[in-house]
Amino acid sequence: DQQVKQNSPSLSVQEGRISILNCDYTNSMFDYFLWYKKYPAEGPTFLISISSIKDKNEDGRFTVFLNKSAKHLSLHIVPSQPGDSAVYFCAASDPGTYKYIFGTGTRLKVLA
Amino acid sequence: NAGVTQTPKFQVLKTGQSMTLQCAQDMNHNSMYWYRQDPGMGLRLIYYSASEGTTDKGEVPNGYNVSRLNKREFSLRLESAAPSQTSVYFCASSEQQGSGQPQHFGDGTRLSIL
Repeated sequence: DQQVKQNSPSLSVQEGRISILNCDYTNSMFDYFLWYKKYPAEGPTFLISISSIKDKNEDGRFTVFLNKSAKHLSLHIVPSQPGDSAVYFCAASDPGTYKYIFGTGTRLKVLA
Repeated sequence: NAGVTQTPKFQVLKTGQSMTLQCAQDMNHNSMYWYRQDPGMGLRLIYYSASEGTTDKGEVPNGYNVSRLNKREFSLRLESAAPSQTSVYFCASSEQQGSGQPQHFGDGTRLSIL
């Protein structure tokens, strides 16, 4: 039973437009959520995080929104650039075990 | 500024062979992790080490052993490799465990078991 789900395996967006990547979770006790970006043949790199006590966190072109009642978070990239083409993973921190649980990833393709 | 270094990058084994995947970090992090990534499965935690001298099982520990050799190094051993262990293995580290601390990943070891 997956506790963190990324239901869209892939997404294509035109350069300059907004990219919205979604993530759903089932455990209301998760205390932090993180987004990672992964290029082929490289390890994931940390992008942005949000605490469960906040509903928004922004860092440059990247904004993460958290809707606790819906158990849903989203990553917005504005404007999207071709270099943003990668696989994006969301991860949730379980305060009971201190482990991170990862979603299956969404492959973003930004078209020039 | 190496970060997390994994060796080897690629390896092909025959069923039943053993091998050790090496991982070292130079960020003075306390916590280290081993994950495997399979198509459509995301990253699954195999073992982790919250601090030097401790190791614990993750989600999929069967068939693996680990050693936290010192603060810098955390190795993963396959005693008798099986085709189901064909995967990409990632080592990661973080300052502390949990609490929103981001993990820093190596570039992975691509392992094929024939």
